[in-house]
Amino acid sequence: DIQMTQSPSSLSASVGDRVTITCRASQSISSYLNWYQEKPGTAPKLLIYAASSLQSGVPSRFSGSGSGTDFTLAISSLQPEDFATYYCQQSYSTPLTFGGGTKVEIK
Amino acid sequence: VQLVESGGGLVQPGGSLRLSCAASGFTFSRHWMSWVRQAPGKGLEWVANINQDGSEKYYVDSVKGRFTISRDNAKNSLYLQMNSLRAEDTAVYYCARVAITMVRGVIITSLDYWGQGNLVTVSS
Repeated sequence: DIQMTQSPSSLSASVGDRVTITCRASQSISSYLNWYQEKPGTAPKLLIYAASSLQSGVPSRFSGSGSGTDFTLAISSLQPEDFATYYCQQSYSTPLTFGGGTKVEIK
Repeated sequence: VQLVESGGGLVQPGGSLRLSCAASGFTFSRHWMSWVRQAPGKGLEWVANINQDGSEKYYVDSVKGRFTISRDNAKNSLYLQMNSLRAEDTAVYYCARVAITMVRGVIITSLDYWGQGNLVTVSS
């Protein structure tokens, strides 16, 4: 199974800050990497697919990069609605696996 | 697109439960579908996938032999039959639609729509 490791597990930031979250795969997964946002009591929402493609309707302040084993999710200017937990997920092979999550909290 | 889960609840260890997911707003029969779960206070865990006609099914090892994913395209519905339930199966279960996209010549899958989730509690 491919292990996905996210860092940090949590971070505190202020509105307007640039935030970056990293995700590392235990083996190369090319660009088979997706990012999701989850808010308490709501279903996860797809933000980025194929490592860097923005899902329709997602604000352009979100961006993704990377390939192989190392990936990054960036939020260029954090907004109040962005405080949430973010997960990476590999779709290279089954079992599909998620990272442990990064909780973005208000500073 | 709307996905609405039902069928969750409290069940004793060793018991069974069947989750349903009613799909609307898209052509259900054209999409792979997934079940994903989230234990209380934990992260997301993929559980199972099924292809468009139900002929291909994949499971995470921890549920193989106990859970069965199925679908009824005539009813636009996805199911998860859960047998021999254990305390560690306690979670919110989500159904999700699989999006298949061609990106830079490569076919990429992602989970583009999710239901609201349904809580399954396994406890005596």
